[in-house]
Amino acid sequence: SQQGEEDPQALSIQEGENATMNCSYKTSINNLQWYRQNSGRGLVHLILIRSNEREKHSGRLRVTLDTSKKSSSLLITASRAADTASYFCATDARTNAGKSTFGDGTTLTVKP
Amino acid sequence: DAMVIQNPRYQVTQFGKPVTLSCSQTLNHNVMYWYQQKSSQAPKLLFHYYDKDFNNEADTPDNFQSRRPNTSFCFLDIRSPGLGDAAMYLCATSGSGFRGSGYTFGSGTRLTVV
Repeated sequence: SQQGEEDPQALSIQEGENATMNCSYKTSINNLQWYRQNSGRGLVHLILIRSNEREKHSGRLRVTLDTSKKSSSLLITASRAADTASYFCATDARTNAGKSTFGDGTTLTVKP
Repeated sequence: DAMVIQNPRYQVTQFGKPVTLSCSQTLNHNVMYWYQQKSSQAPKLLFHYYDKDFNNEADTPDNFQSRRPNTSFCFLDIRSPGLGDAAMYLCATSGSGFRGSGYTFGSGTRLTVV
């Protein structure tokens, strides 16, 4: 069964606004990763957050992790048209280390 | 730049005709993965190699095979492609047994079955 599930499935915002995507998972994890995928391309690793971390930042990206709720969020601040892509969370489960399971992704559209 | 390269970017094959997709890496990562991604869906792990050790997912069809002749190369063989095998195939690598670095993906091969 799928480990990560993203919410919302699709998100449309104006350039300059913030975008928040959520990921929920079912079992205990070693870490959770966020990836971006532009249409027809491979996935690009954005951020990895370990189970003992609560928040990480990378440029305009902020990821939080709440292991008690088994959820994570990805915040993109001051969005740009170039941020238009699908965003996936992936979890490395403790019982399945080294094999990350991906959610269905959130499709983000940033309008100029 | 160190990277993961997949060839070809687009592959058209006939129904039932064997096809091979290739992946190479210059990262010297010991783990290589093959994912299948259908339109608007999550990437689904088919199998992975930890060094030379092959690890198949329980629900990967027998029609899919893989070879890793050396650290740098990994191949996905589809013995008798069906229409349902049309998808994007993604190769990924990770180093040190995936201890906190995330995956590096290639650009993918889009497979069309006619």
